[in-house]
Amino acid sequence: AQSVTQLDSHVSVSEGTPVLLRCNYSSSYSPSLFWYVQHPNKGLQLLLKYTSAATLVKGINGFEAEFKKSETSFHLTKPSAHMSDAAEYFCVVSDKKSGYSTLTFGKGTMLLVSP
Amino acid sequence: DAGVIQSPRHEVTEMGQEVTLRCKPISGHNSLFWYRQTMMRGLELLIYFNNNVPIDDSGMPEDRFSAKMPNASFSTLKIQPSEPRDSAVYFCASSLARSQNTEAFFGQGTRLTVV
Repeated sequence: AQSVTQLDSHVSVSEGTPVLLRCNYSSSYSPSLFWYVQHPNKGLQLLLKYTSAATLVKGINGFEAEFKKSETSFHLTKPSAHMSDAAEYFCVVSDKKSGYSTLTFGKGTMLLVSP
Repeated sequence: DAGVIQSPRHEVTEMGQEVTLRCKPISGHNSLFWYRQTMMRGLELLIYFNNNVPIDDSGMPEDRFSAKMPNASFSTLKIQPSEPRDSAVYFCASSLARSQNTEAFFGQGTRLTVV
């Protein structure tokens, strides 16, 4: 069975400072991993995905994530936060189940950005 | 493509009434997911279709919930009778499930309020 743990329910940063959102996963197979972002009253948008090519993955809006198999982690980072980054972020794992791919979502981390 | 289209965007209904949520996936996608999002439980997968066939409905909370996908371009999620605890945002997502690497694309969601 696959699962995702997002270690922080809320993260607060100041504008211009680095962002770190933590994610650990467990999977029976070689997983694919994703980060999605949800702005208030909006749907979910894909930020980036890891699919076993490069372990450091670049996404939209300056976000990056590094896949570390030994730590079963896929933390999301950004060097400098912007006010528009305030949103909820979801770490997602995908692997095969009965021959079909399923997505399992973490509980989400709310990113708060102060001026 | 216009993306995944859900209707209605908002629904307010009285307890005991039937509610039908609708979803039009992205053209060409062969997998469709229904999720429910609440503050308490986060994002929960309700049901998953592949090529219009329900693959996994283990997340459907009760017999009051049913989902159909009569063709590749349309799906419904029905709640009958509705209860206040069904109040949530319901998301539909679709993907082209060639492998586990494929991300899902989400609609804007339907905010359901049962009073």
